[in-house]
Amino acid sequence: EAGVVQSPRYKIIEKKQPVAFWCNPISGHNTLYWYLQNLGQGPELLIRYENEEAVDDSQLPKDRFSAERLKGVDSTLKIQPAELGDSAVYLCASSRTSSYNEQFFGPGTRLTVL
Amino acid sequence: ELKVEQNPLFLSMQEGKNYTIYCNYSTTSDRLYWYRQDPGKSLESLFVLLSNGAVKQEGRLMASLDTKARLSTLHITAAVHDLSATYFCAGTTGTASKLTFGTGTRLQVTL
Repeated sequence: EAGVVQSPRYKIIEKKQPVAFWCNPISGHNTLYWYLQNLGQGPELLIRYENEEAVDDSQLPKDRFSAERLKGVDSTLKIQPAELGDSAVYLCASSRTSSYNEQFFGPGTRLTVL
Repeated sequence: ELKVEQNPLFLSMQEGKNYTIYCNYSTTSDRLYWYRQDPGKSLESLFVLLSNGAVKQEGRLMASLDTKARLSTLHITAAVHDLSATYFCAGTTGTASKLTFGTGTRLQVTL
């Protein structure tokens, strides 16, 4: 079974530029999560999708961050414009459902904002 | 709101030694997870602990859960260099499986 796929793995941009990250969850997993992991910290949830619906986006900074999950499979997380403080690793995870199901994590995208 | 704290944050230990990582959480957690993360890699699930008194073991790692004390432990027996990584515990509340992570324990096993 293929794991969660994310791209790109690394991204370096200048501040105020836009950036987008892509995630392909494990086949058959209905729930998709985006996490932010700052250096030396544990991941923090940004947004959770049940199929194509965002059911928990309370931690997503909506002034600059947006996400979508068209057709309930792949997802894209966008930042526009990026700020220096956005430098972090962005992790995508998926689970079969959100009810007590184990989450499987992708390799992450390491973003550096200069 | 669930808060999860781990200690120590950094642990340097010699091969062959035993040690324990502690994970305290602030409110009732439906289940407790332990993950491993190697540098530059993603999180790998190690254990899921579902109920009070649960104990799970895999190789040199053993995890336990005490829901009354709101404490989980990850015990390392006879450490080897390959166990060097960062270990996270995470709790969930409700059925939504929202994971709240601790800050992680960076384990370094020296020869």
